Amino acid sequence: DTEVTQTPKHLVMGMTNKKSLKCEQHMGHRAMYWYKQKAKKPPELMFVYSYEKLSINESVPSRFSPECPNSSLLNLHLHALQPEDSALYLCASSQQAGIHYYEQYFGPGTRLTVT
Amino acid sequence: SQQGEEDPQALSIQEGENATMNCSYKTSINNLQWYRQNSGRGLVHLILIRSNEREKHSGRLRVTLDTSKKSSSLLITASRAADTASYFCATVRPLIQGAQKLVFGQGTRLTINP
Repeated sequence: DTEVTQTPKHLVMGMTNKKSLKCEQHMGHRAMYWYKQKAKKPPELMFVYSYEKLSINESVPSRFSPECPNSSLLNLHLHALQPEDSALYLCASSQQAGIHYYEQYFGPGTRLTVT
Repeated sequence: SQQGEEDPQALSIQEGENATMNCSYKTSINNLQWYRQNSGRGLVHLILIRSNEREKHSGRLRVTLDTSKKSSSLLITASRAADTASYFCATVRPLIQGAQKLVFGQGTRLTINP
């Protein structure tokens, strides 16, 4: 199984709402990532989890709160978002690199609209 | 900041023709990867080329790497309508505990006309 799943596919939320994005993989990957992608732009890294610990936060505003409950799951909790946060949110996973480097497997993304 | 620059930004060709996309980067690399993204969907890994490799093939794909010029190219031969997508190159930065950061180029939007 080389699939990364994300739910929901689409999400519309108001600026006062709290919602969560979910990501799951069963490939045994111990590195998981959240990316944000605006239209016609490349993905930008937000967070990296390695062995269920947050290892990288790319200066993301605190209204985005990641969580890794176990090695297969990754959540992104959203609170008090702004309209400019509307984007495609992508989850990815990869094997631990060590001295080698591996491809990342991406989920289909959650299309988020903040109204 | 994004490290890779790709050209062209957009490319439109007829089905059956070959498509070439170029990528330039700024710092030394261990490997460079190419990904495809269909409209509004997730990215799919296409090919990884290591810094000690000059050329790599996968089906209709051919990737070259010139580390002296800090550039790579992706050639898709005998294009098909299904190849219509955005193509991104990505350089890899190692992170702690074996994770890695992909730094993407701006991408090339490829359209294959039937």
